[in-house]
Amino acid sequence: DIVMTQSPDSLAVSLGERATINCKSSQSVLYSSNNKNYLAWYQQKLGQPPKLLIYWASTRQPGVPDRFSGSGSGTDFTLTISSLQAEDVAVYYCQQYYGSVPYSFGQGTKLEIK
Amino acid sequence: EVQLVESGGGLVQPGGSLRLSCAASGFSLSTYYMSWVRQAPGKGLEWVANIKQDGSEESYVDSVKGRFTISRDNAKNSLFLQMNSLRAEDTAVYYCARGLWTFDQWGQGTLVTVSS
Repeated sequence: DIVMTQSPDSLAVSLGERATINCKSSQSVLYSSNNKNYLAWYQQKLGQPPKLLIYWASTRQPGVPDRFSGSGSGTDFTLTISSLQAEDVAVYYCQQYYGSVPYSFGQGTKLEIK
Repeated sequence: EVQLVESGGGLVQPGGSLRLSCAASGFSLSTYYMSWVRQAPGKGLEWVANIKQDGSEESYVDSVKGRFTISRDNAKNSLFLQMNSLRAEDTAVYYCARGLWTFDQWGQGTLVTVSS
């Protein structure tokens, strides 16, 4: 099974500043035949279900603000929030969907306002 | 508006059973793979099971194989999770989610507590 590891576990960033969350997979999630990374990012606010932000490592879900961006390939990925807003306080999860089940999630990164 | 509403959670003793339901509205369940994802209290997300559009294929995480069964009734736009031989470690909020690989719609979840 593929293990997803996020860093840091928690992060405090000032409003308007950049927030960066990292995600590392135990094996590559890049499928060579289509050059796609099978990696998604979710946002979970307190008391709410997760919300899909990004899939294919860098494609934003419709309606997601463009301050959210995803990058990386192979085993190393990053979620960047370019200018942190108060409503971005949440726990963020990466998830791989490469190959067969189980489609595993990272342990989560808690993002707070400094 | 797309909506997923779970029900059926509650307190159950170890070894007991529960059946979770997920009512879908605003879209046709029959056109989507559907999944269950759980979240233990204060913990992260764990994919549990999925089922193909016509119900012909199912997959499970190893920890629930042989104990949980996912099913669907497309005519009633409903998804189910039959949970048998429940253990304390199954305690979690169970989410119904739309999709096979990524999950673009989620319900609010239903809490399952396994305790004596």
